[in-house]
Amino acid sequence: NAGVTQTPKFRILKIGQSMTLQCTQDMNHNYMYWYRQDPGMGLKLIYYSVGAGITDKGEVPNGYNVSRSTTEDFPLRLELAAPSQTSVYFCASSYDLGQTYEQYFGPGTRLTVT
Amino acid sequence: QKEVEQNSGPLSVPEGAIASLNCTYSDRVSQSFFWYRQYSGKSPELIMSIYSNGDKEDGRFTAQLNKASQYVSLLIRDSQPSDSATYLCAVNGPGGSYIPTFGRGTSLIVHP
Repeated sequence: NAGVTQTPKFRILKIGQSMTLQCTQDMNHNYMYWYRQDPGMGLKLIYYSVGAGITDKGEVPNGYNVSRSTTEDFPLRLELAAPSQTSVYFCASSYDLGQTYEQYFGPGTRLTVT
Repeated sequence: QKEVEQNSGPLSVPEGAIASLNCTYSDRVSQSFFWYRQYSGKSPELIMSIYSNGDKEDGRFTAQLNKASQYVSLLIRDSQPSDSATYLCAVNGPGGSYIPTFGRGTSLIVHP
């Protein structure tokens, strides 16, 4: 059981470039989430999904897009990268255990936009 | 807007002492409460969950929940330098709420 995996671990983008952050989980979890974490700050929810084909915006969705074509995969797309998107990105998954939702996080992607 | 408040710290305790981490939340109908540990440069890791008023113990960790006071805490007994990390409190709403609200975390330093 690999849990939640993310690629790449590190990436440097130039302003205006695009990229996709990959996230895969092998726990058959319905719920998946993308967060960003800036230095010294808490986790901010970008997008989430409650199942294949269903996604919704979190509190900071601007500049990002997601898709969920399978239960396992939840890629995050950055279009026209900006310095404000420099951050650490975490993918997480959870499942409905008696309507409690413990989250399991991937190792993160550290992104720098210059 | 739902809020989860934590003292950012750092909280510094000597090795072997009890570390007490606190968290308050604004949504009275919250039902699920979690503590995550995050080492520097790493991802958050779930260490405790609690759903009912009272105490829940797991090894050196005890989570305490008081819904009337909207307060949840984490006690770490016999603190070790390896416990040095940021501890995130997360709160979920009533049944069916799968989006947690996270606090900003408390930095804990355990010095030898």
